[in-house]
Amino acid sequence: KAGVTQTPRYLIKTRGQQVTLSCSPISGHRSVSWYQQTPGQGLQFLFEYFSETQRNKGNFPGRFSGRQFSNSRSEMNVSTLELGDSALYLCASSGTGTGATRRYEQYFGPGTRLTVT
Amino acid sequence: GEDVEQSLFLSVREGDSSVINCTYTDSSSTYLYWYKQEPGAGLQLLTYIFSNMDMKQDQRLTVLLNKKDKHLSLRIADTQTGDSAIYFCAESSGHSGYALNFGKGTSLLVTP
Repeated sequence: KAGVTQTPRYLIKTRGQQVTLSCSPISGHRSVSWYQQTPGQGLQFLFEYFSETQRNKGNFPGRFSGRQFSNSRSEMNVSTLELGDSALYLCASSGTGTGATRRYEQYFGPGTRLTVT
Repeated sequence: GEDVEQSLFLSVREGDSSVINCTYTDSSSTYLYWYKQEPGAGLQLLTYIFSNMDMKQDQRLTVLLNKKDKHLSLRIADTQTGDSAIYFCAESSGHSGYALNFGKGTSLLVTP
């Protein structure tokens, strides 16, 4: 079974621009979560989507948003990029079946490395 | 927010056992995890344990949980050079979604 895929793998943007990152979960998984990893703050939870609805949100400004499609694929968007948004953005998928059982068992993709200049 | 603490660095000789420790503060933690991250890669789920368990063994990996002291450990038997990586401890309460709260990671160096 294919793992979680994220595109693009690397991205360079300029301050003030916006960016969209994509995540395709493991086939059959219904929940997608996003995390930001930086050397200073470590791994921080951004948000979780299940059945196209945001179920949980971390402590990030409104510039960070996301959505999930009916096929469980998810995108996250960061508007008005700041230098501090440079990070590895990781997507994790979990939850199989209509009840999304085992949502606690999260599998991560390789991440998208975003550099803001 | 609640804290997850890990020591930053551990060095062991190949063939020895490694023990990575973690403490957490959230008494409602229901799920406790160990993830591995190699350079330039995402996180690999190694194992997890429910808070109503005190031990879980999976091949070379043994997880011990002391819920009273909020202490979690990961023992890697017969450590190999390929085990060199950063190991993250994480917890989730599962109350409102399954957001993972991570420690800063322990960098494990295995020397021949």
